[in-house]
Amino acid sequence: TQLLEQSPQFLSIQEGENLTVYCNSSSVFSSLQWYRQEPGEGPVLLVTVVTGGEVKKLKRLTFQFGDARKDSSLHITAAQPGDTGLYLCAGCLAFMNYGGSQGNLIFGKGTKLSVKP
Amino acid sequence: NAGVTQTPKFQVLKTGQSMTLQCAQDMNHNSMYWYRQDPGMGLRLIYYSASEGTTDKGEVPNGYNVSRLNKREFSLRLESAAPSQTSVYFCASSEWVWRPMGNIQYFGAGTRLSVL
Repeated sequence: TQLLEQSPQFLSIQEGENLTVYCNSSSVFSSLQWYRQEPGEGPVLLVTVVTGGEVKKLKRLTFQFGDARKDSSLHITAAQPGDTGLYLCAGCLAFMNYGGSQGNLIFGKGTKLSVKP
Repeated sequence: NAGVTQTPKFQVLKTGQSMTLQCAQDMNHNSMYWYRQDPGMGLRLIYYSASEGTTDKGEVPNGYNVSRLNKREFSLRLESAAPSQTSVYFCASSEWVWRPMGNIQYFGAGTRLSVL
């Protein structure tokens, strides 16, 4: 069962374009995190959102947590080649009935972004 | 400050061989995790250790064993490697923070394993 659906799986755009990545679930999360992973390295945390409806900005990246805390989006404005990488969303379940202790993260499958100059 | 260190970075095994992947963190975190990452599958939790002295199965534990050697170190062992275990393995650690911040995990650089 895929608890966290991430889309699109691949995205190839030109420098300067805007894009949005989505994470959706039927489960409620106490928090949701976005990570970025570059080739040959481990994921690195970009942001954590914790309140329904919350919007956080990190330079050209805007993160939003859905009102019901079941979904999130990442919007990049004027993408640059340096934004290229794998973007992962990860949810911390609000109610622990998923085979793990409280606090384990559920990861989406990732969005592989390529920004061409 | 090294963060999370994984060794080795690359490994090639033959089917049936055994090996241990090592992970150490220097952030004094209580919790540690082992994930595998496969194309199109995202990160899947193999085992985790919520605190020193405890280990629990994650989503895909079959074929693996773990040892939480001390607070710093968490190893993953493949007793009899199979081609299906070809993957990139990541170790992570976290200081579980109660709501609202949740579980912020710090990852190592990964071990790329091929089983022939």
